[in-house]
Amino acid sequence: RKEVEQDPGPFNVPEGATVAFNCTYSNSASQSFFWYRQDCRKEPKLLMSVYSSGNEDGRFTAQLNRASQYISLLIRDSKLSDSATYLCVVNMRNAGNMLTFGGGTRLMVKP
Amino acid sequence: EAQVTQNPRYLITVTGKKLTVTCSQNMNHEYMSWYRQDPGLGLRQIYYSMNVEVTDKGDVPEGYKVSRKEKRNFPLILESPSPNQTSLYFCASRGLAGGEDTQYFGPGTRLTVL
Repeated sequence: RKEVEQDPGPFNVPEGATVAFNCTYSNSASQSFFWYRQDCRKEPKLLMSVYSSGNEDGRFTAQLNRASQYISLLIRDSKLSDSATYLCVVNMRNAGNMLTFGGGTRLMVKP
Repeated sequence: EAQVTQNPRYLITVTGKKLTVTCSQNMNHEYMSWYRQDPGLGLRQIYYSMNVEVTDKGDVPEGYKVSRKEKRNFPLILESPSPNQTSLYFCASRGLAGGEDTQYFGPGTRLTVL
């Protein structure tokens, strides 16, 4: 079982739609959680951190469920420019304080 | 501007010919990493460094070397490249001060080993 799992998609949605991605992680001791965005053939960039109480940044809402070991990302009012791959990232606080990346979920927003 | 630079951006080489991919950051970060990204396998960490002269293996270190002689630079060395090292490589620099945990990636190096 992968340490961080995501549905690879693609999720094809029309502009204006609401779309949600989930990500599960295997290590219950994990401490920090993030969503990164990666455009095709570009480097990943931090989209938002995920806090225990949930957090919102404009059209984006991230939530954490520690009991079930998953995090989610909700995108409201999708824009064409939201088309990208969304990477779930977990800091498992293991040796080296390494970040573990999920395989990514691809989103395609259509006109 | 916060920046991670990598060179070269694209490289085609042949099996066995030693190569180095340079990485430099201007954010005074202590933590730097190298990743490779392959279809279906996602981003996998090759090596990381928590400070000058401190390096350690990530998940897929075989066939790679790194060095950290100065804080800003973290080169990736392939002593004898093989075709299975054909991949997209990212260097990353990570800020962990003051409760922050943000990783900045370089633009990537697309390596083909023939």
